[in-house]
Amino acid sequence: SQQGEEDPQALSIQEGENATMNCSYKTSINNLQWYRQNSGRGLVHLILIRSNEREKHSGRLRVTLDTSKKSSSLLITASRAADTASYFCATDPISGSEKLVFGKGTKLTVNP
Amino acid sequence: GAGVSQTPSNKVTEKGKYVELRCDPISGHTALYWYRQSLGQGPEFLIYFQGTGAADDSGLPNDRFFAVRPEGSVSTLKIQRTERGDSAVYLCASSLIGGARYNEQFFGPGTRLTVL
Repeated sequence: SQQGEEDPQALSIQEGENATMNCSYKTSINNLQWYRQNSGRGLVHLILIRSNEREKHSGRLRVTLDTSKKSSSLLITASRAADTASYFCATDPISGSEKLVFGKGTKLTVNP
Repeated sequence: GAGVSQTPSNKVTEKGKYVELRCDPISGHTALYWYRQSLGQGPEFLIYFQGTGAADDSGLPNDRFFAVRPEGSVSTLKIQRTERGDSAVYLCASSLIGGARYNEQFFGPGTRLTVL
């Protein structure tokens, strides 16, 4: 079953604008990861944030994590057409199992 | 180095047939994962190998699904008596040590399975 739920399901913006995607989950986690999936290609890992971290940056990406609200956000600044993809959050639940639980994803379209 | 590779990239089969999907992980990665992704959904966990053994197969939907990794490298996902509902993209991933809590997972391009 899917634990993470991203919103919005779809987002369309103009190049240069910022894009914010949110993820909510249900159970306690060890960490949360964000992945990108381009059409016809595999998933690419973007960033991992541990449960004891609140914010993390990587280039134009900024991820926040609020474990009290069981939510995370991914911000892409100064978006480019090449950022067009589906973005998924994936959680590692504190369940003893070594798997990622993915949400349904946000489909981001960046218009040139 | 080379990433995770999966073969075939596309597989079309008829209902009731047997299929095998292959995954070549990144060399040296001890952990290997299989996921299934249906249209418009995120990947859904199937099975996780640490070395040669299946450490967690809780995601396999039923006993028609089976996976092996006999030498701790290449893995094969086997589906017997395929059903139309098995149609999906099957993704393989590997990681260096194992356990989502330690390492990112590197995904292959997937095998698109279509059951007619």
